[in-house]
Amino acid sequence: QSVVTQEPSFSVSPGGTVTLTCGLTSGSVSPNLYPSWYQQTPGRSPRTLIYNADSRSFGVPDRFSGSIVGNKAALTITGAQAEDEADYYCVLYMGGGLRVFGGGTKVTVL
Amino acid sequence: VHLVESGGGLVQPGRSLRLSCVASGFIFDDYAMHWVRQVPGKGLEWVSGISWNSYASGYSDSVKGRFTISRDNARNSLYLQMDSLRPEDTAFYYCAKDPGPGYFCGGSSCYFDFWGQGALVTVSS
Repeated sequence: QSVVTQEPSFSVSPGGTVTLTCGLTSGSVSPNLYPSWYQQTPGRSPRTLIYNADSRSFGVPDRFSGSIVGNKAALTITGAQAEDEADYYCVLYMGGGLRVFGGGTKVTVL
Repeated sequence: VHLVESGGGLVQPGRSLRLSCVASGFIFDDYAMHWVRQVPGKGLEWVSGISWNSYASGYSDSVKGRFTISRDNARNSLYLQMDSLRPEDTAFYYCAKDPGPGYFCGGSSCYFDFWGQGALVTVSS
């Protein structure tokens, strides 16, 4: 079974832009894998950011955007703020009801 | 939308535990539901999901055959029966709502739109 891959960590300056990716060890990410993205800060439950690759969840600031770039799903933070420092997880639907999380990307804003 | 998990605690390896999740703020029996867990300090892992009418459900390979998901729509409640617990099952367990009724994705959306606060399960002797 293919594994969902994410960068372990990223650093971004306040006001800067960072793009996180979500891929597969075997194959390409496409819309029919329903890529979604979640943000989690320490001690808190996950928060839904993006679904269906590029749809923003209710109340999510527009500095967060999702896309499919090449063979991966991507989450871009444009104009990063201090409160964006968090762990970010993608999820892909692998068929047969199976959802698989990526290992997560720790984003540091400094 | 409000999801409140309960039933976590310390349990010995090989024993059982049942988690509950009480939902409010939406029509519970219109939506599929899921359990997601997180080992402290580690990443998230989807554990199990169930359709609105309980007709379809599924599990990750790591818990298949040991965990059973169920729901009681009359009580707005989701459950996770965990048997033959192992130390590696130690984690925070989150209840998560699906935006659609089905367990299998194929409609317009497939993701987790609301989350509970989590319940800690510790498996240790």
